[in-house]
Amino acid sequence: GAVVSQHPSWVICKSGTSVKIECRSLDFQATTMFWYRQFPKQSLMLMATSNEGSKATYEQGVEKDKFLINHASLTLSTLTVTSAHPEDSSFYICSASQPNQPQHFGDGTRLSIL
Amino acid sequence: QQPVQSPQAVILREGEDAVINCSSSKALYSVHWYRQKHGEAPVFLMILLKGGEQKGHDKISASFNEKKQQSSLYLTASQLSYSGTYFCGTESRGGADGLTFGKGTHLIIQP
Repeated sequence: GAVVSQHPSWVICKSGTSVKIECRSLDFQATTMFWYRQFPKQSLMLMATSNEGSKATYEQGVEKDKFLINHASLTLSTLTVTSAHPEDSSFYICSASQPNQPQHFGDGTRLSIL
Repeated sequence: QQPVQSPQAVILREGEDAVINCSSSKALYSVHWYRQKHGEAPVFLMILLKGGEQKGHDKISASFNEKKQQSSLYLTASQLSYSGTYFCGTESRGGADGLTFGKGTHLIIQP
């Protein structure tokens, strides 16, 4: 089946650091990639939708200047959490899709900001 | 709007059946079902598209009533491995929308 690779799987860093998370579709070309965030004991919440070659669309309440998304190719999207703070600690999950196909999720990145 | 899942949690003995419901106030194009184990990413179970359909594999099946904007996930003869949190994710437009997830249903299967 379709494979989506997410890297790194776990990051621990100091407050103020910027962290980059990569999401790769390994065996298909993903026209759209999605970034979700999941706080402990909560559901997944869509942060942004990323289409290759165009600017990401952010959900209400998600700061686009803080969560920078780049979707430079059909197989790679990156999420950069800039100047991360403890309240940004969360499980970040990407998914990739093709038109009229179910999304395929990466394994997630656990981000802990000290 | 976030779809509403019920029940919030359920505890079963191995071999018993469970039904998890997902209800939306919006017209839906599709409903996706996922299971998530603690500390892991969600795992895709199945997708149901508008037009009203039922799907299943092994002992897990689901139905989608487009008119009622509801979907149900059926787990029959539950196994220990079925434990986890089940999320339904909905989309109103086919193609390139992100999913809106319900709050999840916690399922615990006891031996």
